[in-house]
Amino acid sequence: DSGVTQTPKHLITATGQRVTLRCSPRSGDLSVYWYQQSLDQGLQFLIQYYNGEERAKGNILERFSAQQFPDLHSELNLSSLELGDSALYFCASSVDGGSPSYNEQFFGPGTRLTVL
Amino acid sequence: SQKIEQNSEALNIQEGKTATLTCNYTNYSPAYLQWYRQDPGRGPVFLLLIRENEKEKRKERLKVTFDTTLKQSLFHITASQPADSATYLCALLRDDKIIFGKGTRLHILP
Repeated sequence: DSGVTQTPKHLITATGQRVTLRCSPRSGDLSVYWYQQSLDQGLQFLIQYYNGEERAKGNILERFSAQQFPDLHSELNLSSLELGDSALYFCASSVDGGSPSYNEQFFGPGTRLTVL
Repeated sequence: SQKIEQNSEALNIQEGKTATLTCNYTNYSPAYLQWYRQDPGRGPVFLLLIRENEKEKRKERLKVTFDTTLKQSLFHITASQPADSATYLCALLRDDKIIFGKGTRLHILP
């Protein structure tokens, strides 16, 4: 158990809908990262937040947004969902706010999103 | 564009032998390289990080090499055990950018 929690575990929704994924980092970790993992694309870095502020951005679509709250939990909002958004979404956390380069990241169990 | 290649085929290794996994990359100059283990339906688990100026890093039965001239990293598991069976991902990092390979499935046969 990494200490990172994600809810929900599974989510099934329809195209065009909007969903929110939630992540609680390990106690004491200030950075939260979001990733998308699909069979054809592999694990893709979406975005990083550090202590409430956006720190680094990866391949995040404009239909997706994230935020980190004062209690350090984070939410990933996915809107106007398409079939191709079906994937596993992982959240990870690390102690400090350096770029992803040298921080050991602790991954949560993931949320499996299915768009029908 | 940047590309990372890991053995796309699964790797079957006899228990007790050394498993060697390969991560090749093109059009990129990573400052760091990380290896992760991922079990089915679970999040990746960090194993090792190696910097561009390091040739080799070890941790217990794990060894990673990083050759920036060949643009390649090798990941070795010595005295392999069935419990080492998993998918192993390499990740390249520089500044704010992190790119993952698609992973290699490793099966350690008893």
